[in-house]
Amino acid sequence: GESVGLHLPTLSVQEGDNSIINCAYSNSASDYFIWYKQESGKGPQFIIDIRSNMDKRQGQRVTVLLNKTVKHLSLQIAATQPGDSAVYFCAEKPGGADGLTFGKGTHLIIQP
Amino acid sequence: NAGVMQNPRHLVRRRGQEARLRCSPMKGHSHVYWYRQLPEEGLKFMVYLQKENIIDESGMPKERFSAEFPKEGPSILRIQQVVRGDSAAYFCASSPPSYEEKLFFGSGTQLSVL
Repeated sequence: GESVGLHLPTLSVQEGDNSIINCAYSNSASDYFIWYKQESGKGPQFIIDIRSNMDKRQGQRVTVLLNKTVKHLSLQIAATQPGDSAVYFCAEKPGGADGLTFGKGTHLIIQP
Repeated sequence: NAGVMQNPRHLVRRRGQEARLRCSPMKGHSHVYWYRQLPEEGLKFMVYLQKENIIDESGMPKERFSAEFPKEGPSILRIQQVVRGDSAAYFCASSPPSYEEKLFFGSGTQLSVL
């Protein structure tokens, strides 16, 4: 089965609010995690990544939090904008593996 | 610096025909990955290649599917005798030698089998 999954398939937020997208993983051997954004008809676009020796990493308007104790990953988007509407995937890479393992995705919907 | 280039964007095949999907990695990238995505699903790893070598094909179906990354030219994902279940979006990604985990994806090829 999937080793990476998401708590909610759809997340609806008001424009300007902060968004939090959650992800659970089950492979304790994973040492690298990455978030992608996929707009309709396009390929996944890199947002932010984090290695297992960190618990937080910030980018422009985005923050990734990693809790290895409960195998939980989250993506926080500050001041959500209409252009943030997309499906967001988390992915993990177990140490020694070659490919990323993706979850099913969360569809982020922005309400005006 | 162009991104990962995939063609065609859309490919329609009848059952039993062959499908060839092409991928040119980003300049300077020597690692190529192929993923398959079904509607409303995440991406499934298929194969990982470096120039002239298949490194990991653990996600490839045992029959009809093959991939190559020749010394010159794009990477090719080849599906022989396509069936309706092969209909999906196929994405190629590449990564730089110094940062292998960070994959950059192309726009994908949408394969439709009639």
